[in-house]
Amino acid sequence: GAGVSQSPSNKVTEKGKDVELRCDPISGHTALYWYRQSLGQGLEFLIYFQGNSAPDKSGLPSDRFSAERTGGSVSTLTIQRTQQEDSAVYLCASSLIFREQYFGPGTRLTVT
Amino acid sequence: AQKVTQAQTEISVVEKEDVTLDCVYETRDTTYYLFWYKQPPSGELVFLIRRNSFDEQNEISGRYSWNFQKSTSSFNFTITASQVVDSAVYFCALSPGAERGVTFGTGTKLQVIP
Repeated sequence: GAGVSQSPSNKVTEKGKDVELRCDPISGHTALYWYRQSLGQGLEFLIYFQGNSAPDKSGLPSDRFSAERTGGSVSTLTIQRTQQEDSAVYLCASSLIFREQYFGPGTRLTVT
Repeated sequence: AQKVTQAQTEISVVEKEDVTLDCVYETRDTTYYLFWYKQPPSGELVFLIRRNSFDEQNEISGRYSWNFQKSTSSFNFTITASQVVDSAVYFCALSPGAERGVTFGTGTKLQVIP
């Protein structure tokens, strides 16, 4: 079956622009996670969805970051007024609740 | 608050040596789940193992083994007879038994030298 997919794979944007990153989880996975991984760094948790609700948004670094999930499936992570420090690989993962996560290939965001 | 510590930033071993990757965690939850993931140079994270807090049995899968000790809050990972293909960054992670996100350690970069 299909794994987690993310689009775009690469995104270059100018400072100050808004960007939207998309995640298509594995069908049937109720939990969805967004992480950020800067060059050579670990995974920074951003937000967790269970179904369409986000019980844990504690990792979002600022109010420029938001995410939504519709139909218990696709999720979009939006970064407004991008800054250079937002440059990173944004990873999405999905899972059955409390089970192992399956990760997508990530979106590499570069803010110039 | 929960925390995962992987004190070893980088480890280099010669092929066929055994290597142990350490993971120490902190949590106030009585029910939780621990994971190990591998991130090879290609970049995509791969699940290796999941363990719940009620199961302290050690597990062996081929050349991989895991030692979970609640008394020391550790969940260490051993690779026996390492191979070059084991070269990757390995992450330990903790998930509480509640509706909260998963906390990853900072990772241990393993380099296996031929």
